[in-house]
Amino acid sequence: NAGVTQTPKFRVLKTGQSMTLLCAQDMNHEYMYWYRQDPGMGLRLIHYSVGEGTTAKGEVPDGYNVSRLKKQNFLLGLESAAPSQTSVYFCASSYSRYNEQFFGPGTRLTVL
Amino acid sequence: DQQVKQNSPSLSVQEGRISILNCDYTNSMFDYFLWYKKYPAEGPTFLISISSIKDKNEDGRFTVFLNKSAKHLSLHIVPSQPGDSAVYFCAASATDYKLSFGAGTTVTVRA
Repeated sequence: NAGVTQTPKFRVLKTGQSMTLLCAQDMNHEYMYWYRQDPGMGLRLIHYSVGEGTTAKGEVPDGYNVSRLKKQNFLLGLESAAPSQTSVYFCASSYSRYNEQFFGPGTRLTVL
Repeated sequence: DQQVKQNSPSLSVQEGRISILNCDYTNSMFDYFLWYKKYPAEGPTFLISISSIKDKNEDGRFTVFLNKSAKHLSLHIVPSQPGDSAVYFCAASATDYKLSFGAGTTVTVRA
């Protein structure tokens, strides 16, 4: 089992560019999540999904969109990147709310 | 408005001694609490959890204590080992599937 994988691992964007981060899990989990981690702030939830075809906003959703077309994949999109979106992005998945979330290795994004 | 707070950014402990990490929360609707451990350049990994119906949960060297009246939980690591050097995040959830994380505590275990 690969667990949770994230693509790409690193990316540098210019302000205004767009990109999509891909998260894939092979554990047949229903719930998937996107977080960002910034220094001194822990992890903050961007968007999440409780099943295929569903998405919901988290704590810091502005500037991001998501899609969950397949159960195993959860995509995070930045339509027009801003320097404030420079961060490390983590994807996670879980079987249910009362099960622990499994995290991917992260994507380090820099917006210039 | 941070609902989960870890007020100690760092902790240094000698190998073999006890590490105590603290976490406070403000949302009385939280009913499930977790601790995660994170090494540099890796994603967080689950360590231990506790439901609000319990006040203690043990797993090997790790014990989590929950004091609901004080809205406080703590993680005890006994004995501390060099491999325990990492960032530890406290997290909590209510019924809405979302986890709220603290800012983390960096633990350094000295030989």
